[in-house]
Amino acid sequence: AQTVTQSQPEMSVQEAETVTLSCTYDTSESDYYLFWYKQPPSRQMILVIRQEAYKQQNATENRFSVNFQKAAKSFSLKISDSQLGDAAMYFCAYRSEIQTGANNLFFGTGTRLTVIP
Amino acid sequence: DGGITQSPKYLFRKEGQNVTLSCEQNLNHDAMYWYRQDPGQGLRLIYYSQIVNDFQKGDIAEGYSVSREKKESFPLTVTSAQKNPTAFYLCATKDRGLPNEKLFFGSGTQLSVL
Repeated sequence: AQTVTQSQPEMSVQEAETVTLSCTYDTSESDYYLFWYKQPPSRQMILVIRQEAYKQQNATENRFSVNFQKAAKSFSLKISDSQLGDAAMYFCAYRSEIQTGANNLFFGTGTRLTVIP
Repeated sequence: DGGITQSPKYLFRKEGQNVTLSCEQNLNHDAMYWYRQDPGQGLRLIYYSQIVNDFQKGDIAEGYSVSREKKESFPLTVTSAQKNPTAFYLCATKDRGLPNEKLFFGSGTQLSVL
């Protein structure tokens, strides 16, 4: 099974500043997808951003962008102009293109982001 | 007001007791899922159902059971065989044809052992 590693259990950022959350993964596949999910205090998981492995261009969604380094198997999330509402747990996830069924989505252990006013 | 309703928000289980977590949706989604979340661990798939009257085991199904008698409902029973049930449980749904990451999640149930 693929493994997804988030080496930063906790991070903090000043409001309006930029923060980068790290994620690495291990796979032998060439076609796959990577995601960042946000889990706010309400505890509902929300899909933040999505990256296809075959695309070299890094995905962006407003203040959220990724740095996808396929050779290094690295997928970091950059949050610009941090807002208080960005405070949450962030999970990196991997989806296999080869494996079918619901078991093809793998989550990292999460990074808790605190935003300091 | 469409969404997923998980109840109760907090649940306590005594030793040897079976407990059932409720998940109801009015999104008209075909697929429903149960995930377990432990501190310091990612979400792990317990069971999923792609259609009424059918369900499949996920990665950690031992000690759990489910049913899918109605499209709107996918209850999860934590049986006495589950020796470490304390965790946060998330229910999710997905519309047919969408990739697996396009999940809608409920607000979860925190289960604790007395």
